Amino acid sequence: AQSVAQPEDQVNVAEGNPLTVKCTYSVSGNPYLFWYVQYPNRGLQFLLKYITGDNLVKGSYGFEAEFNKSQTSFHLKKPSALVSDSALYFCAVRDKSGGSYIPTFGRGTSLIVHP
Amino acid sequence: EAQVTQNPRYLITVTGKKLTVTCSQNMNHEYMSWYRQDPGLGLRQIYYSMNVEVTDKGDVPEGYKVSRKEKRNFPLILESPSPNQTSLYFCASSLFRQGHTDTQYFGPGTRLTVL
Repeated sequence: AQSVAQPEDQVNVAEGNPLTVKCTYSVSGNPYLFWYVQYPNRGLQFLLKYITGDNLVKGSYGFEAEFNKSQTSFHLKKPSALVSDSALYFCAVRDKSGGSYIPTFGRGTSLIVHP
Repeated sequence: EAQVTQNPRYLITVTGKKLTVTCSQNMNHEYMSWYRQDPGLGLRQIYYSMNVEVTDKGDVPEGYKVSRKEKRNFPLILESPSPNQTSLYFCASSLFRQGHTDTQYFGPGTRLTVL
């Protein structure tokens, strides 16, 4: 079975400060990991994914995520937050080992960047 | 432009009146899916389809039907809507290769209110 947890419902950060949105996962084998962003009144948009290779993955809009196998985490980060980054962020996981070829989404974390 | 379209974007209806929400993608994706998004519950999968004439239940299929007669279309049918189906609905599609889904592309959402 696969599962994903986003432990924070909301993250608040001041503009210009670094931000982190947390994600932890559970799979039987190795994971495919994704981050999506949902801006107000819009559908979800793909940000980045980890398939294999470098643990640090770079994505759209200056975001990056670090895959940590020992901690089963895939936290989303950005060095300097913008007010326009305020949105709902979803982490998703799929187990490479089979059993499920469909990703499981977390409940989402609302990021609020204050001016 | 590669996209997933949904119609209608907004719908207010009454209990028991059958309705259909259409979804269409122009990327020749094999995999299509319907989700509902509710506050505090995140994204929950309703139904998905691996290819034409192949559909399966997701986590919350009760009260919904789907069909996949053409690769590009995946309509969501509510035969007898009830107020607990008031929600924000998203259609998504992705490639399905070697037994796995990849990055999903989401439609803009349909906000449904059942009175």
